[in-house]
Amino acid sequence: QKEVEQDPGPLSVPEGAIVSLNCTYSNSAFQYFMWYRQYSRKGPELLMYTYSSGNKEDGRFTAQVDKSSKYISLFIRDSQPSDSATYLCAMSAGGSQGNLIFGKGTKLSVKP
Amino acid sequence: EPEVTQTPSHQVTQMGQEVILRCVPISNHLYFYWYRQILGQKVEFLVSFYNNEISEKSEIFDDQFSVERPDGSNFTLKIRSTKLEDSAMYFCASSEGTISGELFFGEGSRLTVL
Repeated sequence: QKEVEQDPGPLSVPEGAIVSLNCTYSNSAFQYFMWYRQYSRKGPELLMYTYSSGNKEDGRFTAQVDKSSKYISLFIRDSQPSDSATYLCAMSAGGSQGNLIFGKGTKLSVKP
Repeated sequence: EPEVTQTPSHQVTQMGQEVILRCVPISNHLYFYWYRQILGQKVEFLVSFYNNEISEKSEIFDDQFSVERPDGSNFTLKIRSTKLEDSAMYFCASSEGTISGELFFGEGSRLTVL
């Protein structure tokens, strides 16, 4: 079983739609959960950071972590064409300095 | 806004040649990292560096790889004898402190080994 699973898509939605992106994981030691956005030929950009279980909201973005199900989500409200990118989930058990385990990324396209 | 800068943006080399990829982390950051992304695959951890020494490395980071902070600003990744499978995007990242995950990535150096 792979450590972090993420549906690669592609996912295409109309402008204004609510987008739901998800990852599952197998390592119960993961405590830190992140979502990164990566535009083509660019480095990953940190969007959301969550420690342990719960929800976190930042503007149009909401991150959810369900440790009991080993499942994390990112919701994007009122999606915009500028949100078109690849979204990477990443997680870490902590302790080690920044040894992140990434999902493969979901490619999102928001059509005007 | 402070950013991590990487050079070169693209390097083409022959198999067996040595390559050095350079990074300038964000100035007040103390932790430095290299990750790589083979085309179509996941971003993978290579190595982390703190206080002038490697703090953790992955299985990928074998004897042909080395890292160095030769001065107060640069952080380098050296691949001693490149192989075809080293072709990838190499990302440098840095973080301010010990909170896992708040890494800031550079735009990457694309390495093509022929």
